[in-house]
Amino acid sequence: DAGITQSPRHKVTETGTPVTLRCHQTENHRYMYWYRQDPGHGLRLIHYSYGVKDTDKGEVSDGYSVSRSKTEDFLLTLESATSSQTSVYFCATSTQAQDNQPQHFGDGTRLSIL
Amino acid sequence: LAKTTQPISMDSYEGQEVNITCSHNNIATNDYITWYQQFPSQGPRFIIQGYKTKVTNEVASLFIPADRKSSTLSLPRVSLSDTAVYYCLVGGGDYKLSFGAGTTVTVRA
Repeated sequence: DAGITQSPRHKVTETGTPVTLRCHQTENHRYMYWYRQDPGHGLRLIHYSYGVKDTDKGEVSDGYSVSRSKTEDFLLTLESATSSQTSVYFCATSTQAQDNQPQHFGDGTRLSIL
Repeated sequence: LAKTTQPISMDSYEGQEVNITCSHNNIATNDYITWYQQFPSQGPRFIIQGYKTKVTNEVASLFIPADRKSSTLSLPRVSLSDTAVYYCLVGGGDYKLSFGAGTTVTVRA
């Protein structure tokens, strides 16, 4: 959707290792978002970006950092992965940060931390 | 952000109409109501949005009463491929969406 590519699509890693997930978009959307999805919790916002180098925390930001050096790329980093961060991670984009502007989602990254 | 309440699950059969009602009692004056659909192993996909009265597109209809404290997503003549999770969202001004658990719709042959 909206030319959003997440990489990798699947990753298994060990506790304590750093992990970086990448979101790449081709639509030149200004706003980008990272969510995690866990059973019983729906999707929860981790961090979002409202422009290059402009980011802010979401609902569940502890243990995560983000960077956006180019409009098209939004990186999510787990500095020291923990088992509680095992989840499916979704990236989304939108043209505006208004609730009448739908968000467009990638197909997710399934991350398992052993 | 306005809190939303929707049924956890609904079952239907092919060819039937499915109606999912979402309650949002504390919706703000400038809030829109948006519905997303999610298939397994995919990200959510926008299906319809409205502010008041009725909105219809090629996929669904959205009915919003005058008080806007609830909304109903209507899926006409569902097929097996409509089996998915449907999320009702009422957005904030800065678009920090809050997805609840959604409604799992299962369509049977």
